[in-house]
Amino acid sequence: SAVISQKPSRDICQRGTSLTIQCQVDSQVTMMFWYRQQPGQSLTLIATANQGSEATYESGFVIDKFPISRPNLTFSTLTVSNMSPEDSSIYLCSVMGQGNTGELFFGEGSRLTVL
Amino acid sequence: AQSVTQLGSHVSVSEGALVLLRCNYSSSVPPYLFWYVQYPNQGLQLLLKYTTGATLVKGINGFEAEFKKSETSFHLTKPSAHMSDAAEYFCAVYTSGTYKYIFGTGTRLKVLA
Repeated sequence: SAVISQKPSRDICQRGTSLTIQCQVDSQVTMMFWYRQQPGQSLTLIATANQGSEATYESGFVIDKFPISRPNLTFSTLTVSNMSPEDSSIYLCSVMGQGNTGELFFGEGSRLTVL
Repeated sequence: AQSVTQLGSHVSVSEGALVLLRCNYSSSVPPYLFWYVQYPNQGLQLLLKYTTGATLVKGINGFEAEFKKSETSFHLTKPSAHMSDAAEYFCAVYTSGTYKYIFGTGTRLKVLA
């Protein structure tokens, strides 16, 4: 298993500002995943962050809006840039368990409200 | 392409009653299937998973699910609902080696006293 700590757990932000979310894992992992969960909706993968390389973004998400850092095997950040009310969402950090069984472990999420 | 459909965005049951949350999937390859639960203000945690082998899988908190290939279903059940089961439940399909998940839209379970 993996224990994932995210911060901030919640924040209220002003339109046009940027916020960086931090994700710390208690073990070394190759890939970290960033998801968005909009109110009343399911999880959507934003990007996959690999240590030592550029993040891979899903369709509809771009690096200028959601820059990601992955400085080592236990840490990653996601920045939500130039926020608008449409960015109000829960952002979740996730890693996959060992053995490629597909099990995902999630942080508790960062709930952002943009005014 | 893979997809997941959860029937019923909201389900209410009485405490002690059967819980049945429906999930149908579409996959061109043998799928790995998962149910996750999300309690208020928390991230998701794994309830149970099917990869290969026995089609009836048991998970935490008394939940179980049965993989039915002929019906492309993976419904989640619990014989007797408890108030603490109130949460949102997500069905998901994963293709081994792709690192890609498809999540359903979730079912919010409400347990009535």
